[in-house]
Amino acid sequence: GAGVSQSPSNKVTEKGKDVELRCDPISGHTALYWYRQSLGQGLEFLIYFQGNSAPDKSGLPSDRFSAERTGGSVSTLTIQRTQQEDSAVYLCASSLADRGLIKTFGSGTRLTVV
Amino acid sequence: SQELEQSPQSLIVQEGKNLTINCTSSKTLYGLYWYKQKYGEGLIFLMMLQKGGEEKSHEKITAKLDEKKQQSSLHITASQPSHAGIYLCGADGGNQFYFGTGTSLTVIP
Repeated sequence: GAGVSQSPSNKVTEKGKDVELRCDPISGHTALYWYRQSLGQGLEFLIYFQGNSAPDKSGLPSDRFSAERTGGSVSTLTIQRTQQEDSAVYLCASSLADRGLIKTFGSGTRLTVV
Repeated sequence: SQELEQSPQSLIVQEGKNLTINCTSSKTLYGLYWYKQKYGEGLIFLMMLQKGGEEKSHEKITAKLDEKKQQSSLHITASQPSHAGIYLCGADGGNQFYFGTGTSLTVIP
């Protein structure tokens, strides 16, 4: 597609439920990043995928968070047993280069845990 | 949707010079973020502005949000090579988070 697509754009869930967030990167972009933006704070790195290499999961805040990238394209970020502190905007970005210039961000998924 | 237009797209300055980057929104800004991206690295959060007329500084970088809350400017005083990178403004649009078009800054020693 022309840009990075994220879905849903807005998600309200009850505490304790699992949620899945989807990112569809630009076709051909081998690098894919997930970030979390909490109110008033900077972007928090979560996880990075590059091609077929093992992902860099160093930013995942707890074992309730996991992500997959199928076929080197679409990625799904899963949050299990959601907590209120998980409420944030989750942003996905993709780029051509390995840890290179991040060129395109998606518009994010706003997650609200009630 | 909200659009954020940054200007200039690209800037090349001599070390020691001052510079300004602008971010103009198509809608009222309720939270304006400035980020810097160094080549080969991730985004670095610089500062966030919320109130009309607000001004914040971080080292030699100052950002302002105008009274009407539709434009922000980022000013760098006495630029250094370490200031080089891509500057992005970002806006919290309620359900969405939007990024500006980006400004590439090169500082020549």
